[in-house]
Amino acid sequence: GENVEQHPSTLSVQEGDSAVIKCTYSDSASNYFPWYKQELGKGPQLIIDIRSNVGEKKDQRIAVTLNKTAKHFSLHITETQPEDSAVYFCAAGSPGGSYIPTFGRGTSLIVHP
Amino acid sequence: DTGVSQDPRHKITKRGQNVTFRCDPISEHNRLYWYRQTLGQGPEFLTYFQNEAQLEKSRLLSDRFSAERPKGSFSTLEIQRTEQGDSAMYLCASSYTGTNEKLFFGSGTQLSVL
Repeated sequence: GENVEQHPSTLSVQEGDSAVIKCTYSDSASNYFPWYKQELGKGPQLIIDIRSNVGEKKDQRIAVTLNKTAKHFSLHITETQPEDSAVYFCAAGSPGGSYIPTFGRGTSLIVHP
Repeated sequence: DTGVSQDPRHKITKRGQNVTFRCDPISEHNRLYWYRQTLGQGPEFLTYFQNEAQLEKSRLLSDRFSAERPKGSFSTLEIQRTEQGDSAMYLCASSYTGTNEKLFFGSGTQLSVL
């Protein structure tokens, strides 16, 4: 089955800096890569996703890049703000048929004012 | 209906007791997933339904765990003879096939087994 590795486990930045979280996956059949943000006491919320036919996707201050050859994808947050502080999870899977996304272990992002 | 609803939010039980959790998905969503999350870990897949049919179960799901989704609407997850290792956050998510595979999660049920 799929195995997703996520790094770093903790990331501390100053407000206004950029943050990068990286994930690798093992199953070359995976073609859909969502990112989730989980705030304390809440469930994960989808913030951005990318499909394998696209190399990069942006949505305001967040962007995701995908390298299918190397089987890794990354989340980039620019101009970080204190409200970006949360745990971020990457996931990988192949929609269609039996779709079961596999999640990474999460990155705790702390943005210091 | 604004999202996935889970009940209760918190459950404290003694070892050996049975517990049941409920999930109400977004109304037009036909897929419903159960995940388990422990501290410092990502969500781990337990089982999922398409409509009322349970299509996949993880090997993590021991025979003490059972899930149902009667009539393809809400779902229940029951844990019998709870053990301390069952302490975790139990997350429910729903999605709609045919448009995209975006999972929408509820806020979870935090289970503590004493």
